[in-house]
Amino acid sequence: GAVVSQHPSWVICKSGTSVKIECRSLDFQATTMFWYRQFPKQSLMLMATSNEGSKATYEQGVEKDKFLINHASLTLSTLTVTSAHPEDSSFYICSAREQGVRSPLHFGNGTRLTVT
Amino acid sequence: DQQVKQNSPSLSVQEGRISILNCDYTNSMFDYFLWYKKYPAEGPTFLISISSIKDKNEDGRFTVFLNKSAKHLSLHIVPSQPGDSAVYFCAASAGGTSYGKLTFGQGTILTVHP
Repeated sequence: GAVVSQHPSWVICKSGTSVKIECRSLDFQATTMFWYRQFPKQSLMLMATSNEGSKATYEQGVEKDKFLINHASLTLSTLTVTSAHPEDSSFYICSAREQGVRSPLHFGNGTRLTVT
Repeated sequence: DQQVKQNSPSLSVQEGRISILNCDYTNSMFDYFLWYKKYPAEGPTFLISISSIKDKNEDGRFTVFLNKSAKHLSLHIVPSQPGDSAVYFCAASAGGTSYGKLTFGQGTILTVHP
């Protein structure tokens, strides 16, 4: 089945630094990938839709200048958390689906970000 | 505004019995529904889905029922196994350009006792 790989699985960084998270579709091409965030004991919330070759679209309340998304190829999307603060500490999960078919979203294993 | 709700935060079931997880939604534009299973510190794993043109979809031990008039869906797991213990999320998607953007419920923690 379709596999989505996310890296790193966890990262600890200091306040003010930036962190890049990669999301790759391993055996299919994805023109669209989605970035979600999950706070402890809460549901997954969609942050943004990553579109290959064009700008990402962000959900209401998500700062596009803080969460930079780059979808440079059909198999790779990156999320960069810029000038991270402790309140950005969360579980970030990417997802993708095979293009051209109405298939379910497949999720990566997530990245646990801790900002100290 | 919680468009997808899982009102039971937890469910405890004996091994071999049926587990029934429930989900309600409010947005009538939703036309595709999915169930995911999630372990701590991992991404969700897809279990089963159903389109709004159907009222039932079955895959092995998992069956999803959709009641459009009630805006309600449920996941049945029969027989339940200890390995099924996890957090279960229902999710919904609207068609067209919104397809792929999932709205998740809060999750239900299922515990299956041996």
